[in-house]
Amino acid sequence: EAQVTQNPRYLITVTGKKLTVTCSQNMNHEYMSWYRQDPGLGLRQIYYSMNVEVTDKGDVPEGYKVSRKEKRNFPLILESPSPNQTSLYFCASSPRMGGYEQYFGPGTRLTVT
Amino acid sequence: GDSVTQMEGPVTLSEEAFLTINCTYTATGYPSLFWYVQYPGEGLQLLLKATKADDKGSNKGFEATYRKETTSFHLEKGSVQVSDSAVYFCALRSAGNMLTFGGGTRLMVKP
Repeated sequence: EAQVTQNPRYLITVTGKKLTVTCSQNMNHEYMSWYRQDPGLGLRQIYYSMNVEVTDKGDVPEGYKVSRKEKRNFPLILESPSPNQTSLYFCASSPRMGGYEQYFGPGTRLTVT
Repeated sequence: GDSVTQMEGPVTLSEEAFLTINCTYTATGYPSLFWYVQYPGEGLQLLLKATKADDKGSNKGFEATYRKETTSFHLEKGSVQVSDSAVYFCALRSAGNMLTFGGGTRLMVKP
């Protein structure tokens, strides 16, 4: 089954404790991205990657890192999480750049206390 | 920069009522336009899309027409069902390939 998976689905952590949210897709997609969803703000893009070893900032990259060492994986790293990073995070992938459909993962709800 | 504005919700309708969710956008060039739907506890799913002016996207009884002259992409459905209750997001993708989303509109359909 074609899908985007994220782990963990739920995470409660404390300020300053490094964490990684994994994202994996099995569709051989070149393009992957991370979004955060906050009430009234819709989804805002954090980082995206057009292919292996090619990443770039989205609208709200501060406090986040990403890497793309393999085509299928695109982890999101929070080196020192803060409460304002409490949010619902979505990973998405699409075949390549352009007007292609993006396939979204199920989401990771992160709470930073 | 690019932006998408949606009507604020929640929108509450009775089953079989007519639905319109307004969406307007600001973008340079000729973006592609999308409607995504998010059911409770799930990720976003593409509902429909249009890639050029006057295109009509349609799926599951929902329709939206790309209106360049009014920079709009309003979502409509003639007869909503309880199962349509969800959050609907309008989005655009411009030349830079980033998806820009509106704030989302929650639809609640009562039996």
